[in-house]
Order: sequence, then C-alpha cells, then structure tokens
Amino acid sequence: AQKVTQAQTEISVVEKEDVTLDCVYETRDTTYYLFWYKQPPSGELVFLIRRNSFDEQNEISGRYSWNFQKSTSSFNFTITASQVVDSAVYFCALSERGGTSYGKLTFGQGTILTVHP
Amino acid sequence: SAVISQKPSRDICQRGTSLTIQCQVDSQVTMMFWYRQQPGQSLTLIATANQGSEATYESGFVIDKFPISRPNLTFSTLTVSNMSPEDSSIYLCSVGRGYNEQFFGPGTRLTVL
Repeated sequence: AQKVTQAQTEISVVEKEDVTLDCVYETRDTTYYLFWYKQPPSGELVFLIRRNSFDEQNEISGRYSWNFQKSTSSFNFTITASQVVDSAVYFCALSERGGTSYGKLTFGQGTILTVHP
Repeated sequence: SAVISQKPSRDICQRGTSLTIQCQVDSQVTMMFWYRQQPGQSLTLIATANQGSEATYESGFVIDKFPISRPNLTFSTLTVSNMSPEDSSIYLCSVGRGYNEQFFGPGTRLTVL
C-alpha cells in the first residue's frame, strides 16, 4: 500500500533562512504523481507542484525548489530566503495510477512551518 | 485548474443532527473526492463520489454515516449524519481529471457541540 512520510512535524526558522521540508514515499506502482500543497491558517489547500514518476528533473519556481530522487523515494521541498508569509502547514501527497488507488491522494502527516520575523 | 466552491464554509451543529455539505465545480470533471481533516491532523479520504452510481468508501467510513450524492459531473453533496463532537473537522471536496491532477475546494469547517 502507498504511504507518505513527512518526518518533520514542526520547523521554526527566522526570516531569510533557507528551509527544506522532507518527504519520503512508498509505492508499488511504477507510474505515480507526487504533490506538494500549502495550507495557510485559513484552511484552504493550495496546490504548489506536481511531479510524475518519470521526470526526475528538479524544479525551481521563484523561492521554491523541489528535489525528486527515485533512488531514495524522496521528494523534498526547499524554500529559499523564507518569509513570514510562508508560515503554513505543508503537505506532501502521492497519487497512483494503478488499480483501485487511481486518482486518490495519500497525504503525509504535514509539516508545520513557522517563520519568525 | 478548476474553480470549486463549497457550502457552507463553516457551521456549528448540535450532536445528533445532520449537515449536508455542497460542492460545486465550474466545469465537468471525472472524479470528485471527499476528504476529512480532523484538528491538527492530515487529510484522510472519505470516499470517491461516482456520477450515476453509489460512492466508493474508504476503510473506516460507511454510507450510513457519510451518505454522498453526485447527480451530475459538476456537483456533489456529503452529509455528516447523527453528528458527535468527534466529527468536528474540516471537510474538503476535491476534483480531478486524472490521477495527475487534483484541486481542492475551500473546505467546510464543522464544529459539533
């Protein structure tokens, strides 16, 4: 069965520090997607990125970057020069293509990021 | 992407009552899902809302407690029945056009007294 683990429950940093959120996943499927979502205090889930299992290229979007490594089943998320507005809960999630899991998201436990001014 | 709305955005209910949550999408979508997020916890899938047939429930969730309707490809409802304080959660609707795409509604914050 699929599983997503975010080992860091809470991270606290000071503004302008870089921070990396770890995500490790388990799946038997060879075709799958990985996602990161941000959940600010308002509760809405904001989509940040998705990456398919065949694309191991790292991605950068502004201050955000993602490192996908199939060899270690990891999909880590780095925020460069963090800002107070980055304070939120961040979720990593997995979607498999195969069988009865098609389209369903399995979420990690979430990492609470607090950025102090 | 898709624009998703949920009603109500929040509610406070008495135990033993039921609440129906609506999810409306601005375009036709194949898949609609309902998730629950208990306080301080991650998201857990309740069920897949299937158009024209019964919903498919995940382990630990039953139709009597969480009846779901999906009359068309843009709308679904989730009812939380015979509520108890343990049902206090955020309930989120999500839609997808495939296993590689999924967007979430704003959520419904439910408090049961």
